[in-house]
Amino acid sequence: GAGVSQSPSNKVTEKGKDVELRCDPISGHTALYWYRQRLGQGLEFLIYFQGNSAPDKSGLPSDRFSAERTGESVSTLTIQRTQQEDSAVYLCASSLHAGRNTGELFFGEGSRLTVL
Amino acid sequence: GNSVTQMEGPVTLSEEAFLTINCTYTATGYPSLFWYVQYPGEGLQLLLKATKADDKGSNKGFEATYRKETTSFHLEKGSVQVSDSAVYFCALARGSTLGRLYFGRGTQLTVWP
Repeated sequence: GAGVSQSPSNKVTEKGKDVELRCDPISGHTALYWYRQRLGQGLEFLIYFQGNSAPDKSGLPSDRFSAERTGESVSTLTIQRTQQEDSAVYLCASSLHAGRNTGELFFGEGSRLTVL
Repeated sequence: GNSVTQMEGPVTLSEEAFLTINCTYTATGYPSLFWYVQYPGEGLQLLLKATKADDKGSNKGFEATYRKETTSFHLEKGSVQVSDSAVYFCALARGSTLGRLYFGRGTQLTVWP
């Protein structure tokens, strides 16, 4: 597609359930990022994939969070045993390459997760 | 560590008013600085950037100058329009983190006709 696509756009779940969030990056973009935005907060880095390199998982807040990416295409962010503090908008972004200081990330519209 | 602090909103202005949204940063070394914008119902998009001290980024009438001495990157526009209503995010990137951005909390701007 023309832009980064995320699904679902909205997800309401019960505490303790697992959720999966999907991201389709722009075709040909080798780098993919997940960020989280909690209400009233800035964007919090979660994880970054670059080609076939090992992902940078340094932003994942706990071992309940994991993410996968198949080659240079779709990525899935999984949150196990969700907690209320996981409620946030989860943003995916991609870029053509992770060159130094490019900063030109292309964002999806986000997946809004609400944990009851 | 690396962080960005931007002025809290919301900011409400009349059309053609002058806009300033303050942004200061903390970083080791020499970061690159960015302003991203999120229009209603859309994803964040890059508005402008500056990669070294004294550089001025500009786009769509917006400007921001990278001031190393004051560690600031304030966003300005001389005459805002209703269509500028959006959330604005200041961000920085360190070269060693290869594209990872550190964002401020965002500032909601509403422009009335």
